[in-house]
Amino acid sequence: EPEVTQTPSHQVTQMGQEVILRCVPISNHLYFYWYRQILGQKVEFLVSFYNNEISEKSEIFDDQFSVERPDGSNFTLKIRSTKLEDSAMYFCASSEGTGANEKLFFGSGTQLSVL
Amino acid sequence: QKEVEQDPGPLSVPEGAIVSLNCTYSNSAFQYFMWYRQYSRKGPELLMYTYSSGNKEDGRFTAQVDKSSKYISLFIRDSQPSDSATYLCAMRPYNTDKLIFGTGTRLQVFP
Repeated sequence: EPEVTQTPSHQVTQMGQEVILRCVPISNHLYFYWYRQILGQKVEFLVSFYNNEISEKSEIFDDQFSVERPDGSNFTLKIRSTKLEDSAMYFCASSEGTGANEKLFFGSGTQLSVL
Repeated sequence: QKEVEQDPGPLSVPEGAIVSLNCTYSNSAFQYFMWYRQYSRKGPELLMYTYSSGNKEDGRFTAQVDKSSKYISLFIRDSQPSDSATYLCAMRPYNTDKLIFGTGTRLQVFP
């Protein structure tokens, strides 16, 4: 069964460092997303991406965050200068369509720890 | 009032029981409703997706949406120990990509 793949599974970084979280969405999917889940809290939307541009972003997704689809298969989330409060599980998701055809498939996540 | 409310549990039931999981919401613009299952240290896995009021059945799972009461439910029949997980409701309006998740209900099914 096709799945969304995320690497690394764990990332430890020092405050102020840049991190790049990587995702390989399901191959025929066109819509890509990043969500995060701080320990003990809800899963929160960060950004959606379609046709090589951001469709929508949340208030969390400030200038420190960026997304990119550098080639035909990868989808990345970059945090330019990490803060302690960026520590969370980051989930990549993809879907084939939107609206009534939207079904998001999530990866297993990258646990980011900022020290 | 929170946009989406979900009892965090934990809910502990014996194998074979019928489980009822519920979410209420306050935003009448929500049009699409989902239930996800999340095992420990894994990503959410889509179980059910619906965009209309009424019932939708898939195997042992039934999703129910009541838009007039702003209430959705997931029923699990003949529950199994492998159903032990956290169940997340999620929903969104028609004009945004942003899914709003509930806090999740932790379910434990014991043999």
